[in-house]
Amino acid sequence: KNEVEQSPQNLTAQEGEFITINCSYSVGISALHWLQQHPGGGIVSLFMLSSGKKKHGRLIATINIQEKHSSLHITASHPRDSAVYICAVFGNQFYFGTGTSLTVIP
Amino acid sequence: DVKVTQSSRYLVKRTGEKVFLECVQDMDHENMFWYRQDPGLGLRLIYFSYDVKMKEKGDIPEGYSVSREKKERFSLILESASTNQTSMYLCASSTPLQGTGSPLHFGNGTRLTVT
Repeated sequence: KNEVEQSPQNLTAQEGEFITINCSYSVGISALHWLQQHPGGGIVSLFMLSSGKKKHGRLIATINIQEKHSSLHITASHPRDSAVYICAVFGNQFYFGTGTSLTVIP
Repeated sequence: DVKVTQSSRYLVKRTGEKVFLECVQDMDHENMFWYRQDPGLGLRLIYFSYDVKMKEKGDIPEGYSVSREKKERFSLILESASTNQTSMYLCASSTPLQGTGSPLHFGNGTRLTVT
């Protein structure tokens, strides 16, 4: 049983497209994290949010606590956005989604 | 910036060998974690430590042990490596996980192959 489900698993987009990655979870949480993993392995934290919306450059993350759902949006996508995006939720421990692999084609 | 350094990016070991994976962080974080990452399974917690000499089992501790003799260093030990331990291993650190769960800071990972 997966506490965190992401969709889609794989996504290919043309440069400039608006991208949405979805995350649904089944456990009670106090925060949700979006992570980015580039080829080669290193993972960086993009956002931590517990309500509403956060924006950082071309990235926007939203969360709906009642619906247990979060979305990560990328506006004006660029090839350097190509990476695996991982949703993680924190209740009393971290639970991770399996990731969405994004490829942005020039 | 927090830096989490894993000693090796790639490692190839033989079945039955004892394997040490080292992780060092430079931000005086209390918490340190070892995860493994496999395709389709996401990140799974092996062990974590919230203080020097303290350790807690995660979801998949079998076949692994850990050591935390100094605050900045957390070692993962495969007592007798097996082929099903071929995986990407990721170390992470954080400040205490209160409330909303502090951000995890990850190392670059060690891709271990056991032949």
